[in-house]
Amino acid sequence: DIQVTQSPSSLSASLGDRVTISCRASQNIATHLSWYHQEPGKPPKLLIYLTSTLQAGVPSRFSGAGSGTDFTLTISSLQPEDFATYYCQQTLSVPYNFGQGTQLQIK
Amino acid sequence: EVQLVESGGGLAQPGGSLRLSCEASGFSLSRYWMHWVRQIPGKGLMWVSHINMDGSIINYADAVKGRFTVSRDNAKNTLYLQMSSLRADDTAVYFCARDNYYNSGEHWGQGTVVTVSS
Repeated sequence: DIQVTQSPSSLSASLGDRVTISCRASQNIATHLSWYHQEPGKPPKLLIYLTSTLQAGVPSRFSGAGSGTDFTLTISSLQPEDFATYYCQQTLSVPYNFGQGTQLQIK
Repeated sequence: EVQLVESGGGLAQPGGSLRLSCEASGFSLSRYWMHWVRQIPGKGLMWVSHINMDGSIINYADAVKGRFTVSRDNAKNTLYLQMSSLRADDTAVYFCARDNYYNSGEHWGQGTVVTVSS
């Protein structure tokens, strides 16, 4: 199975900050990686798939990069609705494992 | 509007069974792979299973293999998760999600809570 490790597990930042979350896969997954955002009590929301393709309706302040085993999600200028938990997921082969999550909190 | 509504969750005893349903509206279920994902409250996400358009391809996470069965009724636009031999560590919120053709969950239901306890 392909394991996925996210870092950091939590992050404090201010409105307007630029933040980056990392995700590492245990083996080469090319660009088969997705990112989700989840607010408490709500289902996850797909932000990015295939490493860098923005889901329809997702603001352009979100961007994804990487290939192989190392990936990043960057939010260019934090907005109030961005403070939530973020998950990456490898989508190359089953089981489609998720990372442990990164909780983004207001500083 | 795409909607997914899960139901069937509740309290089950260890060793017991539950059947979850995921009713789709706003699109034709027959055109999409579907996923089940679960989340222990306050914890991370775990992919459980997926099923292809006609139900001929199904995969499971090792933690549920042999105990859970996914199926679908495209005529009823409904996805199912039959859960048996339930254990305490199956306690979670269970989400169904529509695939986006790239193995990601594009649309999600609100989830249904399963609690396994004596």
